[in-house]
Amino acid sequence: AQKVTQAQTEISVVEKEDVTLDCVYETRDTTYYLFWYKQPPSGELVFLIRRNSFDEQNEISGRYSWNFQKSTSSFNFTITASQVVDSAVYFCALSGNFNKFYFGSGTKLNVKP
Amino acid sequence: EPEVTQTPSHQVTQMGQEVILRCVPISNHLYFYWYRQILGQKVEFLVSFYNNEISEKSEIFDDQFSVERPDGSNFTLKIRSTKLEDSAMYFCASRAGRGRETQYFGPGTRLLVL
Repeated sequence: AQKVTQAQTEISVVEKEDVTLDCVYETRDTTYYLFWYKQPPSGELVFLIRRNSFDEQNEISGRYSWNFQKSTSSFNFTITASQVVDSAVYFCALSGNFNKFYFGSGTKLNVKP
Repeated sequence: EPEVTQTPSHQVTQMGQEVILRCVPISNHLYFYWYRQILGQKVEFLVSFYNNEISEKSEIFDDQFSVERPDGSNFTLKIRSTKLEDSAMYFCASRAGRGRETQYFGPGTRLLVL
């Protein structure tokens, strides 16, 4: 079965703090893809990153970084020096052989000035 | 930068009425999807569409739902007889093709059934 778990329902931090959003997944597919999307208050889903199951290299993009560990089935997302504009709901998603996405329940991030 | 567009952005309808939600996927993309998000909940898969036919559908996608690609650009989701529980945000997404796994989502249509 395919499943994505985001155990953190809501996180509040003060601006400039670092914050890590957790994502744990389950899949039987040998090839799969992991994604993070941002959903700001306006409601759209903004693509942030995709990771292939055969590429465990971590990635950094500006203040964003992602830590993919197959051994623990985790794909965690860290925002360094958070800003108020980072306030949103963040979704982790998994796709496998049949390409439909399985989304986690999302983590609401509140960044306070 | 190409993007997925959806119309209308908001729709209010009476229970039992038919609604059609419209999407224009990114040009040259081959795979199309509909998802829904009930307020405050996770995004759920409804249906995928490729080569002019449904490739997969979820349990949610029952006989009251249908999808169509009436021309080379539009991709529609029809709900024949809306129910209160159909109230949700509906997202369209498209994907370029095999080996291009990222789905790009439209801004959504917020449907309210009264």
